[in-house]
Amino acid sequence: NAGVTQTPKFQVLKTGQSMTLQCAQDMNHNSMYWYRQDPGMGLRLIYYSASEGTTDKGEVPNGYNVSRLNKREFSLRLESAAPSQTSVYFCASSEALLRGTFGSGTRLTVV
Amino acid sequence: EDKVVQSPLSLVVHEGDTVTLNCSYEVTNFRSLLWYKQEKKAPTFLFMLTSSGIEKKSGRLSSILDKKELSSILNITATQTGDSAIYLCAVVTGGGADGLTFGKGTHLIIQP
Repeated sequence: NAGVTQTPKFQVLKTGQSMTLQCAQDMNHNSMYWYRQDPGMGLRLIYYSASEGTTDKGEVPNGYNVSRLNKREFSLRLESAAPSQTSVYFCASSEALLRGTFGSGTRLTVV
Repeated sequence: EDKVVQSPLSLVVHEGDTVTLNCSYEVTNFRSLLWYKQEKKAPTFLFMLTSSGIEKKSGRLSSILDKKELSSILNITATQTGDSAIYLCAVVTGGGADGLTFGKGTHLIIQP
């Protein structure tokens, strides 16, 4: 009963380094999302994927890229990390944009 | 631009008190409103309210959607320390940026 699994849970990067956040869901949901959560800002949508093979920008896509590898997996890539990308990142999946099941988050610090 | 505003941003009460959290929204193509509870990690789903289901209740928690006022409230009665969390309101729209538009959350602290 895993739900949505994110890796890694914690990461520290130096400015300019790249990394990929992994997300996988086992609920056969069509839609998957990446959010970032900053203090006092709530959750903001970075990218989403309504179905396998499609991705679209959300509210704050700059500096990120995504890949919907298959129905289960949706990865988020930072090509050149910046301190402004220090945040907690959540992956979520849902069916028909209803409830949304979240992963446990990745705490990323860029120094 | 879709907007969801929650109030208050933070609230400290004593165990046993009743609290009311507010959420107002300005969005195009409203589909539903969701309430989540976030403790240390991922948000967990509480309620979904739609045009056809404007009131939900689960134990000490209840929520009402006022489509005329474009708002929702989350009530918690007889609060317990385990209710301490960030409560997030989100609105689902059918707009181009698919997904949930979240408010900033209400940080609720229940003191013993």
